Amino acid sequence: EVQLLESGGGLVQRGGSLRLSCAASGFTFSSYAMYWVRQAPGKGLEWVSAISGSDGSTYYADSVKGRFSISRDNSKNTLYLQMNSLRAEDTAVYYCAKGSSYYYDSSRPLDPWGQGTLVTVSS
Amino acid sequence: QSALTQPASVSGSPGQSITISCTGTSSDVGGYNYVSWYQQHPGKAPKLMIYDVSIRPSGVSNRFSGSKSGNTASLTISGLQAEDEADYYCSSYTSSSTSYVFGPGTKVTVL
Repeated sequence: EVQLLESGGGLVQRGGSLRLSCAASGFTFSSYAMYWVRQAPGKGLEWVSAISGSDGSTYYADSVKGRFSISRDNSKNTLYLQMNSLRAEDTAVYYCAKGSSYYYDSSRPLDPWGQGTLVTVSS
Repeated sequence: QSALTQPASVSGSPGQSITISCTGTSSDVGGYNYVSWYQQHPGKAPKLMIYDVSIRPSGVSNRFSGSKSGNTASLTISGLQAEDEADYYCSSYTSSSTSYVFGPGTKVTVL
């Protein structure tokens, strides 16, 4: 069974940094692109970032470009999201999700998703 | 501002059928058969219900079906049940951007 477990969320001051982790199991982690999607309180889903299987190609939403950095450690089956210069509008539940192919592909569905980790940025 | 539009809410009685629309343009929904639908219960993670317009992943009830006509994709829930009460999000490939795009979501209420 594929499982994704996020951690690292919490309360951080505006301008601060936080690193999220997503531990994966049940599939060959290095063979799939991985994604971060966030959901602000009471709002919809917003794609944040993605990373390809093992060639290191990364992709970001304009809203986080230059502030967030996605990475992965295939030896540890773990996905990361380094978040710097955090803003109040970054407050959200952050989900990691498994892609359907090796490369980032916005035509492919995300399945499954982790349970999410809450990031709260205080002003 | 999402490039896709969905009704804010749809409701129906148990046993009825409801349809949720996801409207885009020829650059996304209308131009490609790459529409997905996700179900999200309150406080829970999204769950993939439909992909490539009409394909149901293993384990998803056949009460859920997807279709597309022109620039509008639709998710139909047949035999509505209380457990179907949730938010539903569509997603579509778009040639206008490299971003992953979601619709704003539709809240389904079972009366």
